[in-house]
Amino acid sequence: ETGVTQTPRHLVMGMTNKKSLKCEQHLGHNAMYWYKQSAKKPLELMFVYSLEERVENNSVPSRFSPECPNSSHLFLHLHTLQPEDSALYLCASSQIFSGEQYFGPGTRLTVT
Amino acid sequence: QKEVEQNSGPLSVPEGAIASLNCTYSDRGSQSFFWYRQYSGKSPELIMSIYSNGDKEDGRFTAQLNKASQYVSLLIRDSQPSDSATYLCAYPKAAGNKLTFGGGTRVLVKP
Repeated sequence: ETGVTQTPRHLVMGMTNKKSLKCEQHLGHNAMYWYKQSAKKPLELMFVYSLEERVENNSVPSRFSPECPNSSHLFLHLHTLQPEDSALYLCASSQIFSGEQYFGPGTRLTVT
Repeated sequence: QKEVEQNSGPLSVPEGAIASLNCTYSDRGSQSFFWYRQYSGKSPELIMSIYSNGDKEDGRFTAQLNKASQYVSLLIRDSQPSDSATYLCAYPKAAGNKLTFGGGTRVLVKP
C-alpha cells in the first residue's frame, strides 16, 4: 500500500531528544490527520489540517508540534517527550469533510 | 457515557458463520458512520461507510444503521479466518471529518 506513507516506521528516543515524524499522501486528498493509538485505548485524534490550515488541536501537549507545508505532506515534531507518549502514531488523509479516511502504516514510538 | 461504545470481545465465530458486531453512539445528530478493520500490528482500513437508516451491503459485509436507537451494526457473512481482526466503529463530531472512534471489537474466526 503506497497511498499514505509514514517514516520512520519505528523510533526510539530519549526524553531530551528532538525528532520528527513524516507523512506523505499520494491520493490527491486535501485533509490530513495525526492520531495516537495506545494499548487498550481508543484511537485518539490529535490534529487535523484541512486545506493546509490547522482546524483541530485536540488538547495535545505542546511537546507535539504539527506542520503541514502542503496538502501532500504532514509532519509531527517531537521534543522532550515523556514515557507515556510511547504509542503508535498514525497519519491519515481524506477529502475535506469526509469521514472516509485512509491511514498510513504508522510510526511505533518508544520513549525511554 | 462514552461517545462511541463497542464490546471489546473477543467475539469468537466459527468459520462460515455470521459475525455480528454492534456499536452505540451518543450524538443524535450524527449522519454518517464508518467501520474500519485493523489487523494486529497494522493500521486501520476503511471497510464500510453508511449514511442513511437501513442496510448497506458490500460483498460479505452488511452495515445496519438505526438512528432512532442510536446504534450501528456490522454483519460479516461466511466468516473466514482472514476476517480475524479488530473492527472499529467511528463517526464524525461536528462537521465532516473529525472522527471519534470506539475502542473496537476483536473478532476471532476459528477454522
